[in-house]
Amino acid sequence: ELQLVESGGGLVKPGGSLRLSCAASGFSFNSYTMNWVRQAPGKGLEWVSSISSTNDYIYYADSVKGRFTISRDNAQNSLYLQMNSLRAEDTALYFCARDTVISLWGQGTMVTVSS
Amino acid sequence: DIQMTQSPSSLSASVGDRVTITCRASQSISRYLNWYQQKPGKAPKLLIYAASSLQSGVPSRFSGSGSGTDFTLTISSLQPEDFATYYCQQSYSTLGTFGQGTRVEIK
Repeated sequence: ELQLVESGGGLVKPGGSLRLSCAASGFSFNSYTMNWVRQAPGKGLEWVSSISSTNDYIYYADSVKGRFTISRDNAQNSLYLQMNSLRAEDTALYFCARDTVISLWGQGTMVTVSS
Repeated sequence: DIQMTQSPSSLSASVGDRVTITCRASQSISRYLNWYQQKPGKAPKLLIYAASSLQSGVPSRFSGSGSGTDFTLTISSLQPEDFATYYCQQSYSTLGTFGQGTRVEIK
Protein backbone atom coordinates (compact mmCIF):
# COMPACT_ATOMS: atom_id res chain seq x y z
CA GLU A 1 0.00 0.00 0.00
CA LEU A 2 1.21 3.46 -0.90
CA GLN A 3 1.80 5.33 2.34
CA LEU A 4 3.51 8.33 3.93
CA VAL A 5 3.54 8.51 7.73
CA GLU A 6 4.78 11.64 9.49
CA SER A 7 5.98 11.84 13.06
CA GLY A 8 7.87 14.17 15.36
CA GLY A 9 5.39 16.98 15.85
CA GLY A 10 4.59 18.47 19.23
CA LEU A 11 4.58 21.55 21.42
CA VAL A 12 7.76 23.62 21.45
CA LYS A 13 8.66 27.05 22.83
CA PRO A 14 9.57 29.94 20.52
CA GLY A 15 13.22 29.67 19.55
CA GLY A 16 13.18 25.91 20.02
CA SER A 17 13.85 23.07 17.58
CA LEU A 18 12.00 20.04 16.31
CA ARG A 19 12.77 17.31 13.78
CA LEU A 20 9.98 15.87 11.69
CA SER A 21 10.22 12.48 10.00
CA CYS A 22 8.25 10.89 7.18
CA ALA A 23 8.35 7.15 6.53
CA ALA A 24 7.49 6.10 2.99
CA SER A 25 6.31 2.70 1.84
CA GLY A 26 4.74 1.00 -1.18
CA PHE A 27 6.69 2.85 -3.87
CA SER A 28 10.24 3.53 -5.08
CA PHE A 29 11.07 6.34 -2.68
CA ASN A 30 14.43 7.02 -4.33
CA SER A 31 12.72 7.89 -7.63
CA TYR A 32 10.70 10.86 -6.39
CA THR A 33 11.16 14.45 -5.37
CA MET A 34 9.74 14.82 -1.87
CA ASN A 35 8.24 17.84 -0.16
CA TRP A 36 6.97 19.33 3.07
CA VAL A 37 3.74 21.32 2.87
CA ARG A 38 2.16 22.97 5.90
CA GLN A 39 -1.25 24.30 6.85
CA ALA A 40 -1.74 26.71 9.74
CA PRO A 41 -4.98 26.23 11.70
CA GLY A 42 -7.91 27.44 9.58
CA LYS A 43 -5.61 28.60 6.79
CA GLY A 44 -4.53 27.46 3.34
CA LEU A 45 -1.69 25.27 2.11
CA GLU A 46 1.90 26.52 2.05
CA TRP A 47 4.71 24.71 0.24
CA VAL A 48 7.66 24.66 2.68
CA SER A 49 10.55 22.74 1.12
CA SER A 50 11.47 20.29 -1.64
CA ILE A 51 14.34 17.85 -2.16
CA SER A 52 15.10 16.03 -5.40
CA SER A 53 15.39 12.25 -5.58
CA THR A 54 19.20 12.25 -5.39
CA ASN A 55 19.64 15.29 -3.14
CA ASP A 56 20.90 17.39 -6.05
CA TYR A 57 18.31 20.12 -5.64
CA ILE A 58 16.91 21.56 -2.44
CA TYR A 59 14.49 24.47 -2.18
CA TYR A 60 12.89 26.40 0.65
CA ALA A 61 10.11 28.92 0.98
CA ASP A 62 11.41 32.35 1.98
CA SER A 63 9.48 32.06 5.24
CA VAL A 64 11.68 29.18 6.47
CA LYS A 65 14.96 29.74 4.63
CA GLY A 66 17.93 29.67 7.00
CA ARG A 67 15.92 28.03 9.79
CA PHE A 68 14.67 24.75 8.31
CA THR A 69 16.72 21.97 6.69
CA ILE A 70 15.23 19.22 4.55
CA SER A 71 17.02 15.90 4.10
CA ARG A 72 16.33 12.34 3.05
CA ASP A 73 17.72 8.84 3.52
CA ASN A 74 16.88 6.76 0.47
CA ALA A 75 18.19 3.58 2.12
CA GLN A 76 15.67 4.07 4.93
CA ASN A 77 12.86 5.42 2.69
CA SER A 78 12.66 8.44 4.95
CA LEU A 79 12.29 12.20 4.64
CA TYR A 80 13.19 14.67 7.37
CA LEU A 81 12.67 18.32 8.26
CA GLN A 82 14.93 19.87 10.90
CA MET A 83 13.23 23.01 12.20
CA ASN A 84 15.27 25.50 14.24
CA SER A 85 14.53 28.96 15.65
CA LEU A 86 10.83 28.16 15.62
CA ARG A 87 8.31 31.00 15.69
CA ALA A 88 4.63 31.20 16.57
CA GLU A 89 3.83 31.55 12.86
CA ASP A 90 5.37 28.10 12.21
CA THR A 91 2.43 26.54 14.08
CA ALA A 92 0.80 24.27 11.53
CA LEU A 93 -0.02 20.76 10.40
CA TYR A 94 3.00 19.58 8.42
CA PHE A 95 2.36 17.20 5.54
CA CYS A 96 4.89 15.00 3.78
CA ALA A 97 4.06 14.95 0.06
CA ARG A 98 5.34 13.07 -2.96
CA ASP A 99 6.38 14.73 -6.22
CA THR A 100 5.57 18.17 -7.64
CA VAL A 101 2.09 17.03 -8.66
CA ILE A 102 1.05 15.60 -5.32
CA SER A 103 -0.94 12.40 -5.67
CA LEU A 104 0.28 11.03 -2.32
CA TRP A 105 0.07 12.88 1.01
CA GLY A 106 0.70 11.82 4.57
CA GLN A 107 -1.87 12.44 7.30
CA GLY A 108 0.21 15.27 8.77
CA THR A 109 1.92 15.94 12.07
CA MET A 110 1.00 18.96 14.17
CA VAL A 111 3.63 21.47 15.30
CA THR A 112 2.62 24.03 17.91
CA VAL A 113 5.02 26.85 18.81
CA SER A 114 3.90 28.55 22.00
CA SER A 115 5.30 29.65 25.33
CA ASP B 1 8.03 33.72 -6.88
CA ILE B 2 4.87 32.83 -8.75
CA GLN B 3 1.70 33.97 -6.98
CA MET B 4 -1.58 32.13 -7.42
CA THR B 5 -4.89 33.91 -6.89
CA GLN B 6 -8.20 32.07 -6.67
CA SER B 7 -11.69 33.47 -6.91
CA PRO B 8 -14.06 33.46 -5.26
CA SER B 9 -12.73 32.81 -1.75
CA SER B 10 -15.99 31.10 -0.92
CA LEU B 11 -19.31 30.32 -2.54
CA SER B 12 -22.66 28.87 -1.59
CA ALA B 13 -24.31 26.44 -3.96
CA SER B 14 -27.02 23.81 -4.06
CA VAL B 15 -26.82 20.16 -4.98
CA GLY B 16 -27.06 19.92 -8.76
CA ASP B 17 -25.60 23.37 -9.41
CA ARG B 18 -22.79 24.00 -11.87
CA VAL B 19 -19.84 25.52 -10.01
CA THR B 20 -16.85 27.33 -11.48
CA ILE B 21 -13.68 28.34 -9.62
CA THR B 22 -10.96 30.40 -11.24
CA CYS B 23 -7.24 30.57 -10.61
CA ARG B 24 -4.83 33.17 -11.97
CA ALA B 25 -1.03 32.94 -12.00
CA SER B 26 1.19 36.00 -11.67
CA GLN B 27 3.14 34.85 -14.76
CA SER B 28 2.66 32.27 -17.47
CA ILE B 29 2.85 28.70 -16.19
CA SER B 30 1.88 26.99 -19.47
CA ARG B 31 -0.38 24.12 -18.33
CA TYR B 32 1.48 23.32 -15.09
CA LEU B 33 -1.63 23.77 -12.99
CA ASN B 34 -3.21 21.27 -10.60
CA TRP B 35 -6.39 21.24 -8.54
CA TYR B 36 -6.93 19.65 -5.12
CA GLN B 37 -9.94 19.05 -2.90
CA GLN B 38 -9.60 19.14 0.87
CA LYS B 39 -12.19 18.14 3.46
CA PRO B 40 -11.89 19.12 7.14
CA GLY B 41 -9.27 17.12 9.02
CA LYS B 42 -8.04 15.37 5.89
CA ALA B 43 -5.08 15.67 3.56
CA PRO B 44 -5.77 17.26 0.16
CA LYS B 45 -6.75 15.02 -2.73
CA LEU B 46 -5.53 15.53 -6.30
CA LEU B 47 -8.42 16.08 -8.73
CA ILE B 48 -6.91 17.55 -11.90
CA TYR B 49 -3.31 17.76 -13.12
CA ALA B 50 -1.73 19.50 -16.10
CA ALA B 51 -4.69 21.88 -16.22
CA SER B 52 -7.22 19.43 -17.64
CA SER B 53 -6.21 15.81 -16.98
CA LEU B 54 -8.53 13.97 -14.60
CA GLN B 55 -6.76 12.02 -11.86
CA SER B 56 -7.63 8.34 -11.78
CA GLY B 57 -10.74 7.63 -9.73
CA VAL B 58 -12.03 11.22 -9.78
CA PRO B 59 -15.63 11.59 -11.02
CA SER B 60 -16.09 13.00 -14.51
CA ARG B 61 -18.22 15.87 -13.20
CA PHE B 62 -14.91 17.55 -12.36
CA SER B 63 -13.11 19.23 -15.24
CA GLY B 64 -10.32 21.74 -15.70
CA SER B 65 -9.33 24.14 -18.43
CA GLY B 66 -6.95 26.97 -19.20
CA SER B 67 -3.34 27.71 -20.02
CA GLY B 68 -0.84 30.50 -19.52
CA THR B 69 -2.14 32.51 -16.57
CA ASP B 70 -5.88 31.77 -16.37
CA PHE B 71 -7.42 28.48 -15.30
CA THR B 72 -10.83 27.12 -14.33
CA LEU B 73 -12.13 24.20 -12.28
CA THR B 74 -15.72 23.25 -13.07
CA ILE B 75 -18.02 20.90 -11.19
CA SER B 76 -20.84 20.17 -13.64
CA SER B 77 -23.44 19.02 -11.09
CA LEU B 78 -22.53 19.56 -7.45
CA GLN B 79 -22.97 16.50 -5.22
CA PRO B 80 -23.22 16.41 -1.40
CA GLU B 81 -19.71 14.96 -1.12
CA ASP B 82 -18.26 17.90 -3.10
CA PHE B 83 -18.69 20.42 -0.30
CA ALA B 84 -15.07 21.11 0.56
CA THR B 85 -12.23 23.56 -0.02
CA TYR B 86 -10.50 23.59 -3.41
CA TYR B 87 -6.94 24.70 -4.08
CA CYS B 88 -5.05 25.36 -7.28
CA GLN B 89 -1.29 24.78 -7.34
CA GLN B 90 1.36 25.59 -9.92
CA SER B 91 4.05 23.02 -10.62
CA TYR B 92 5.92 25.20 -13.12
CA SER B 93 8.56 26.43 -10.67
CA THR B 94 10.51 24.63 -8.00
CA LEU B 95 8.29 25.57 -5.08
CA GLY B 96 4.78 24.69 -6.13
CA THR B 97 2.78 27.56 -4.68
CA PHE B 98 -0.91 27.15 -3.90
CA GLY B 99 -3.82 29.48 -4.30
CA GLN B 100 -5.52 30.66 -1.12
CA GLY B 101 -8.40 28.22 -1.52
CA THR B 102 -12.09 28.35 -2.39
CA ARG B 103 -14.57 27.04 0.16
CA VAL B 104 -17.70 25.53 -1.39
CA GLU B 105 -20.57 25.59 1.11
CA ILE B 106 -24.13 24.30 1.10
CA LYS B 107 -26.75 26.89 0.18
